Amino acid sequence: KNQVEQSPQSLIILEGKNCTLQCNYTVSPFSNLRWYKQDTGRGPVSLTIMTFSENTKSNGRYTATLDADTKQSSLHITASQLSDSASYICVVSPQGSYIPTFGRGTSLIVHP
Amino acid sequence: GAGVSQSPSNKVTEKGKDVELRCDPISGHTALYWYRQSLGQGLEFLIYFQGNSAPDKSGLPSDRFSAERTGGSVSTLTIQRTQQEDSAVYLCASSPSGGAPVGQYFGPGTRLLVL
Repeated sequence: KNQVEQSPQSLIILEGKNCTLQCNYTVSPFSNLRWYKQDTGRGPVSLTIMTFSENTKSNGRYTATLDADTKQSSLHITASQLSDSASYICVVSPQGSYIPTFGRGTSLIVHP
Repeated sequence: GAGVSQSPSNKVTEKGKDVELRCDPISGHTALYWYRQSLGQGLEFLIYFQGNSAPDKSGLPSDRFSAERTGGSVSTLTIQRTQQEDSAVYLCASSPSGGAPVGQYFGPGTRLLVL
């Protein structure tokens, strides 16, 4: 069964600090992995997308890594801002299927 | 419009009533998805439309749920005889093409509360 597990479930950090969110998956055969940011009361917005051959992708202060061998991904946020407070969702899609598997998300709170 | 829109943004209904949720995808996007997001849970796939092909309804939780997509554009998700466990956020997403869903664009969701 395809599964995506995210950790931690929630995280509280101080403004300006860095943090790293984790995603482990069992989706096979693998096609791509995406990280989404979901602000409260809004739909998810894509941050990064990586295919099998990519092991890192950056989008501003967000950097995602992918280890397809261990089936792990991380999202690193640098110099956090209050606006980074949101849920971060890892989504993995299998080859040949249009139905992705979503993680439950990590809830990040950035305090001033 | 610039993005995916959904209406209503919030819906409160009584148990046993029917509800209709609407999704307007990005113009030109052929793929449209409905998801359900319950508190503390990951997004749950409900149904997928691709062009004029028959929809994939494999994610619909019961026969009380149905969806249509008219003219390859606007979609309506209908829940009949609502139950309290139907309370959730219903998200719609569209994509330029089917297959591996690169670039899914989500709407803001409809928050459904069944009393």
